Amino acid sequence: KAGVTQTPRYLIKTRGQQVTLSCSPISGHRSVSWYQQTPGQGLQFLFEYFSETQRNKGNFPGRFSGRQFSNSRSEMNVSTLELGDSALYLCASSLGQGLLGRNGYTFGSGTRLTVV
Amino acid sequence: QKEVEQNSGPLSVPEGAIASLNCTYSDRGSQSFFWYRQYSGKSPELIMFIYSNGDKEDGRFTAQLNKASQYVSLLIRDSQPSDSATYLCAVNIRGGGANSKLTFGKGITLSVRP
Repeated sequence: KAGVTQTPRYLIKTRGQQVTLSCSPISGHRSVSWYQQTPGQGLQFLFEYFSETQRNKGNFPGRFSGRQFSNSRSEMNVSTLELGDSALYLCASSLGQGLLGRNGYTFGSGTRLTVV
Repeated sequence: QKEVEQNSGPLSVPEGAIASLNCTYSDRGSQSFFWYRQYSGKSPELIMFIYSNGDKEDGRFTAQLNKASQYVSLLIRDSQPSDSATYLCAVNIRGGGANSKLTFGKGITLSVRP
């Protein structure tokens, strides 16, 4: 069974540019959540999508956005990149049916974004 | 007050010892609790899940949950150098209609000395 696939693995962008990250969840999983991980702040919740609808959103500026497609694949976009956006962006998939079950989230390998 | 707190890190223990990792959470309505392990340069992987008060054992790992005191802990018995990693506590916190949001602590880095 394929795991959670995130592309690309690494990105280097310049301040002011925008970036799109992609996530394909485990087959059969309908919920995709995105997290930003930095050494100082740990894992910070960005948003969650279920059945193409944003179900929850964290405390990030509007420059951070996402969407989910009918096949459950998800993308997140960051516009007008800032140096502080440099981080590991992790996608997590789950069945998405009510409360998380014993399997919780399964994480992808992440996209390491560096803004210069 | 942070929603999920993990303090007293980093932690260093000798090989064969018991490592004790603690986590407290703020929302009394939280219903499920997870421990993830993250090796350096890797993504988090689930190692334990607990939802009822008491202990849950899985091999060398024991998760303990006390909802009245709002804490969850992870014990690692017979610690091995391969257990050296960052351990993340995650709590399924209530919030609007988003039942599946997990809130993470900042993690505790464990180092097991050979």
